[in-house]
Amino acid sequence: EAGVTQSPTHLIKTRGQQATLRCSPISGHTSVYWYQQALGLGLQFLLWYDEGEERNRGNFPPRFSGRQFPNYSSELNVNALELEDSALYLCASSFSGGAGEQFFGPGTRLTVL
Amino acid sequence: RKEVEQDPGPFNVPEGATVAFNCTYSNSASQSFFWYRQDCRKEPKLLMSVYSSGNEDGRFTAQLNRASQYISLLIRDSKLSDSATYLCVVLRGDSNYQLIWGAGTKLIIKP
Repeated sequence: EAGVTQSPTHLIKTRGQQATLRCSPISGHTSVYWYQQALGLGLQFLLWYDEGEERNRGNFPPRFSGRQFPNYSSELNVNALELEDSALYLCASSFSGGAGEQFFGPGTRLTVL
Repeated sequence: RKEVEQDPGPFNVPEGATVAFNCTYSNSASQSFFWYRQDCRKEPKLLMSVYSSGNEDGRFTAQLNRASQYISLLIRDSKLSDSATYLCVVLRGDSNYQLIWGAGTKLIIKP
């Protein structure tokens, strides 16, 4: 069974540009979560989507946004990139209501120059 | 104060030894608890859920102490492959339903 997939693996942008990151959950999972992990730091919760709706968001500015598509895949958009947005962005999925048991993708490493 | 706190370590432990880490949480509405493991430059993976009565999975034992608001992870007969960062995760049970992640405890098993 395929796990969570994310694309691209690496993304290099310059300050002020926009980045789009994509995630496909495990088949049967309807919840998708996005996290930011800066180098050497813990996971910071960004967004949670379930059944196409945004259920919760972490303490991040509005330039971090996303959506979930009818097939439960998801996109994270980061506008007006800043240098401190450089991090590993992890996507995880779970069954609806199974927020504690999340399965992670390999991440997208975003570098902002 | 962070909502979930862990000793960052590193814990340097000889192979075969027993090691334990604790994690404290501050939100009394927390309802579920988990340990995840993250290898260097890899994604986190669920190690085990933590049940109220405590639970064991092979060499790993997890305990929950609601009165003192901490959870623990015990690893017996440690292996070199246990070297990783162990993340304590707490699911809030209040209106702000989300997972809160600790920053992790780094464990290094030495031969």
